[in-house]
Amino acid sequence: AQTVTQSQPEMSVQEAETVTLSCTYDTSENNYYLFWYKQPPSRQMILVIRQEAYKQQNATENRFSVNFQKAAKSFSLKISDSQLGDTAMYFCAFSHNTDKLIFGTGTRLQVFP
Amino acid sequence: DTEVTQTPKHLVMGMTNKKSLKCEQHMGHRAMYWYKQKAKKPPELMFVYSYEKLSINESVPSRFSPECPNSSLLNLHLHALQPEDSALYLCASSQVGGIANYGYTFGSGTRLTVV
Repeated sequence: AQTVTQSQPEMSVQEAETVTLSCTYDTSENNYYLFWYKQPPSRQMILVIRQEAYKQQNATENRFSVNFQKAAKSFSLKISDSQLGDTAMYFCAFSHNTDKLIFGTGTRLQVFP
Repeated sequence: DTEVTQTPKHLVMGMTNKKSLKCEQHMGHRAMYWYKQKAKKPPELMFVYSYEKLSINESVPSRFSPECPNSSLLNLHLHALQPEDSALYLCASSQVGGIANYGYTFGSGTRLTVV
């Protein structure tokens, strides 16, 4: 069974600084997809970034980038130039060609002015 | 329209009540999902509908009854709930088989309190 682990329950960063959120996963599959979702206090889950396992190049979306290490089964999220609006719960998620997402336990990120 | 709309946003119900949660999307997605999320926890999958047919039921108690009347609408009928069923109920949609490429689009959820 696939599992997703986020070892940092809470993180904090000062505005304009960079922060990295960790995620590891376990799977025996070779083709799969990884996601980072953001859930602000408004409750809506928002897709931040996704990575296809067969692509070696790390995904980037503006200030958000990932460090995907397939052999190590690691998928960390780097947020550059942190903004107050980045304050949220961040969930790492895994999917293997099914209509089912498996979520990690989440990391609560607080951005301070 | 790139939204998933959930109503109501908040619901308080007694243990003997019958209520329904509603979810609507107009993105042409043919897969729709119900998730349950307790405070400070990740979402837990409850049901998946694919082409308006129930494809996954994650052993959810029968007091939760899903319904997909058409490709744009997903309901969750609630009856005889327990206080421990209090949670945020999230609806999501995706292209069938497209979750891998595009992930889900989530609604903002219904905050349910059972008293």
